[in-house]
Amino acid sequence: LAKTTQPISMDSYEGQEVNITCSHNNIATNDYITWYQQFPSQGPRFIIQGYKTKVTNEVASLFIPADRKSSTLSLPRVSLSDTAVYYCLVGDSTSGGSYIPTFGRGTSLIVHP
Amino acid sequence: DAGVTQSPTHLIKTRGQHVTLRCSPISGHKSVSWYQQVLGQGPQFIFQYYEKEERGRGNFPDRFSARQFPNYSSELNVNALLLGDSALYLCASSLRGGSSYEQYFGPGTRLTVT
Repeated sequence: LAKTTQPISMDSYEGQEVNITCSHNNIATNDYITWYQQFPSQGPRFIIQGYKTKVTNEVASLFIPADRKSSTLSLPRVSLSDTAVYYCLVGDSTSGGSYIPTFGRGTSLIVHP
Repeated sequence: DAGVTQSPTHLIKTRGQHVTLRCSPISGHKSVSWYQQVLGQGPQFIFQYYEKEERGRGNFPDRFSARQFPNYSSELNVNALLLGDSALYLCASSLRGGSSYEQYFGPGTRLTVT
């Protein structure tokens, strides 16, 4: 099964850029990389998704190197409301065609004033 | 538009009992996935259904089962509850199955087994 590894926690200050890296050494060829944000007592919320190179949307950027064995979520100019747990998710499509997504343990980001 | 809805919000059961959790996907979404999230850990994948067929199954015992109905809503059933089944159960819907489709999560059902 695909396995992801992320830092357990990170601290930052308002207005700074935050980069969270996830390693996924055995990602499958046809799997996408997706990042989610989760606040306490809520379900995860989609942030961004990519397959390779760089993807940018209104809230974040996602950098994926050519070997796709890792990915980096970049949050520009964080605010206090960005304090949350961030998960990277990769799929794992088995040879039988079934799909088993794997969340990491998540990175707890704390943004300080 | 309504998001993913789950019922009940909270549930308390006794060891050995059975529980059924329900999920209604976003309108137009044909895939539903179930996850178990224990406090302090990431969601663990249980099942994915697409077009009423099981498309993926995580490493959970046979006490866990699920199904998807013609209207794409879904049920997760857990038999012979154990204390370790206490967790937040999350349902997520997506347009289709697989990893290339964004998943939208519901608020979850908090299950406590005593």
